[in-house]
Amino acid sequence: AQSVAQPEDQVNVAEGNPLTVKCTYSVSGNPYLFWYVQYPNRGLQFLLKYITGDNLVKGSYGFEAEFNKSQTSFHLKKPSALVSDSALYFCAVIKAGAGSYQLTFGKGTKLSVIP
Amino acid sequence: GAVVSQHPSRVICKSGTSVKIECRSLDFQATTMFWYRQFPKQSLMLMATSNEGSKATYEQGVEKDKFLINHASLTLSTLTVTSAHPEDSSFYICSARGGPGLDGETQYFGPGTRLLVL
Repeated sequence: AQSVAQPEDQVNVAEGNPLTVKCTYSVSGNPYLFWYVQYPNRGLQFLLKYITGDNLVKGSYGFEAEFNKSQTSFHLKKPSALVSDSALYFCAVIKAGAGSYQLTFGKGTKLSVIP
Repeated sequence: GAVVSQHPSRVICKSGTSVKIECRSLDFQATTMFWYRQFPKQSLMLMATSNEGSKATYEQGVEKDKFLINHASLTLSTLTVTSAHPEDSSFYICSARGGPGLDGETQYFGPGTRLLVL
């Protein structure tokens, strides 16, 4: 079975400061890892993914994430937070090679960027 | 690219009626579509996976006779909540993924449908 843990329900950061949203995963075999963002009463928007290759992945809106196999982590980062980044962030995993491509989501982390 | 739409965005219905929600991939052909349910302040719960032209695969605990899924084409899937009851009130979100060569690993999500059953 695969699982994703987002240890923080909420992260608060001042505008202009760097932000980190944590994610760890558990999967047998190689993982495909994803970050999505959800604004209130909206669906999920794809931010970035790690499939293979460079461990540092860059995505939309200046976000990036680093795949760390030894720590089974895929933390989301941004060098300088904007108030508009305030939203709910979900980390998700698929087992590589799994034909169903079913995502397993973390519980989500609410990011609040304070002006 | 990779835009998924849902219709309606919001629906209010009386208990006992049926509601149909459409999910469309606008600029790509979706090999697989997924239907999720999200409760307030919670993560997404996968309800079912559907492939074009075949029966949907439902997750454990999801009533297939209550939540009818039809995936008639590579760009359209529908979820029908039959004989809706207040406990079916929720936020329903669909997603779609393309086939090989079309960024097949990534699911692209619709904007969601808010269902309120009175």
